[in-house]
Amino acid sequence: KAGVTQTPRYLIKTRGQQVTLSCSPISGHRSVSWYQQTPGQGLQFLFEYFSETQRNKGNFPGRFSGRQFSNSRSEMNVSTLELGDSALYLCASSGGQGYQETQYFGPGTRLLVL
Amino acid sequence: GEDVEQSLFLSVREGDSSVINCTYTDSSSTYLYWYKQEPGAGLQLLTYIFSNMDMKQDQRLTVLLNKKDKHLSLRIADTQTGDSAIYFCAESIVTGTASKLTFGTGTRLQVTL
Repeated sequence: KAGVTQTPRYLIKTRGQQVTLSCSPISGHRSVSWYQQTPGQGLQFLFEYFSETQRNKGNFPGRFSGRQFSNSRSEMNVSTLELGDSALYLCASSGGQGYQETQYFGPGTRLLVL
Repeated sequence: GEDVEQSLFLSVREGDSSVINCTYTDSSSTYLYWYKQEPGAGLQLLTYIFSNMDMKQDQRLTVLLNKKDKHLSLRIADTQTGDSAIYFCAESIVTGTASKLTFGTGTRLQVTL
């Protein structure tokens, strides 16, 4: 099986712009979670989607949003980018059948905001 | 509360055993995980343990869980240079029917010759 894929792998944006990141889960997985990794804050949970519905949300401002499509692919969007949004954004997928499903991570999208 | 702590750095010699420690605070965690991150890469799942287990062994990896003290450890036997990476422990926090992972700060393992 192919693993979790994320596109693009690298992105450079300027303050005030918006960005959309994409994640394709492992085939058959229905749950997609997003995490932000920064040197200062470490790994933090953004949100989780299951069957096109947001099932869980972390403590991030409304500028961070996401969605999931019927084929389980997910996108996350960050509007009005700030310098502090520079981070590695990781997507993880799981089977979604229960709530303790093991999460498998993609390679991440590295976002640099100038 | 949700807080997972790890020491920041560990240096070992090739061939020795490495022990990476982690403490967590949420007693309702059902699964605890160890992930490995190499430079420029995502997180690779190494192993996990269910909270009703004390120990799990998987080839060179041994996970020990002390639920009373909320202490988790990962032992890597015969550590190799390819084991150099950052290791994260994570607990699965359940809210209703959803779960999320809360990660530790990560332990950077340096393997020297």
